Amino acid sequence: NAGVTQTPKFRVLKTGQSMTLLCAQDMNHEYMYWYRQDPGMGLRLIHYSVGEGTTAKGEVPDGYNVSRLKKQNFLLGLESAAPSQTSVYFCASRKAPFSGRQETQYFGPGTRLLVL
Amino acid sequence: AQSVTQLGSHVSVSEGALVLLRCNYSSSVPPYLFWYVQYPNQGLQLLLKYTSAATLVKGINGFEAEFKKSETSFHLTKPSAHMRDAAEYFCAVSGDSADGLTFGKGTHLIIQP
Repeated sequence: NAGVTQTPKFRVLKTGQSMTLLCAQDMNHEYMYWYRQDPGMGLRLIHYSVGEGTTAKGEVPDGYNVSRLKKQNFLLGLESAAPSQTSVYFCASRKAPFSGRQETQYFGPGTRLLVL
Repeated sequence: AQSVTQLGSHVSVSEGALVLLRCNYSSSVPPYLFWYVQYPNQGLQLLLKYTSAATLVKGINGFEAEFKKSETSFHLTKPSAHMRDAAEYFCAVSGDSADGLTFGKGTHLIIQP
């Protein structure tokens, strides 16, 4: 199993450009998440999905859109990039709620995005 | 709603000394608690997790953490630090729902030779 993979690994954008980050998992997980990591801020949840065709907002959703057309993929879109969106983006997935199970949330390797 | 406070953005210890990284949480529901480690320019790796079984949890690389409900704490310890332990450590909390983990701001562990 490849686990959670992210494409691309690194990207430079100009202000106003758009792009899509791809997250893929091969573990048949229902839940998928997008986080951003900024220095001194930890990881903050952008959007998440509890299954194919569903999405929900997290803590910092503004400026981002997401789609989950296939169970194994979770796309994060920036329609008009801003310098404040310069960050490291992590995707994560897990199978089910944590209660009573040995569930683990798995993270991808991250995508570094620089918006000039 | 949940929240996590990690005390100390930077912690420095000598090689061979005790490592103690502090984490306090707030949760309106029984919490599930996690420690993740991030090495430079890498992703997050799970160190250990508390999911309502034993309150003393042992993880990888010699780390352990104790869940103390009365103190709302989940501090991470290691008896003897190694140079390879230098990294960023994140404490995280979740409830029993689909909501993502809520992370603390992280503690950068520095190991002095």
